[in-house]
Amino acid sequence: AQSVTQLDSQVPVFEEAPVELRCNYSSSVSVYLFWYVQYPNQGLQLLLKYLSGSTLVKGINGFEAEFNKSQTSFHLRKPSVHISDTAEYFCAVSEIDGATNKLIFGTGTLLAVQP
Amino acid sequence: GAVVSQHPSWVICKSGTSVKIECRSLDFQATTMFWYRQFPKQSLMLMATSNEGSKATYEQGVEKDKFLINHASLTLSTLTVTSAHPEDSSFYICSDGDRDQETQYFGPGTRLLVL
Repeated sequence: AQSVTQLDSQVPVFEEAPVELRCNYSSSVSVYLFWYVQYPNQGLQLLLKYLSGSTLVKGINGFEAEFNKSQTSFHLRKPSVHISDTAEYFCAVSEIDGATNKLIFGTGTLLAVQP
Repeated sequence: GAVVSQHPSWVICKSGTSVKIECRSLDFQATTMFWYRQFPKQSLMLMATSNEGSKATYEQGVEKDKFLINHASLTLSTLTVTSAHPEDSSFYICSDGDRDQETQYFGPGTRLLVL
């Protein structure tokens, strides 16, 4: 079974500052890794994903994440945030070669960007 | 643009009534769709996997007789909350599971409020 841990429930940050949202996972099998963003009262939008290859993945809106297999982490980073980045961010995993691409989500991190 | 739509976007109903939520996969024939529930300030919890032409697969603890899922066509899955109660009030989100082998694309969600 897989599990995803997002230790920070909320991350306050000033506009134009860098930010890192942490994600650690646990799995007995190889997994795909995802970051989704959810704006208030909306569904989830895919930010980026790691399937294979380069461990540094670039996504939309200037976000990037790095897969670290030894630390079982997939932290999300952005060098300079904007007010519009304020949203809930979810890390998720799915099992490679699973019967379905069922997603297991972390509890989410609220990124609160302040002017 | 959006690849999965949901209708309605929000609904208010009286306790004891049934509510149907539609999830449509746009421009793609999805044999697999997923239904999630999200309580306020919490993560998404998978409720069931909707399989076109066959019975849905429910996650442990989800009452199949209460949350009826019908995937009668390759572009439409419906979730019916039967005899809704206030504790069923939540944000319900669907996704299509096989447009992209590894990635799920989510609908905008339906907010249900049971009075």
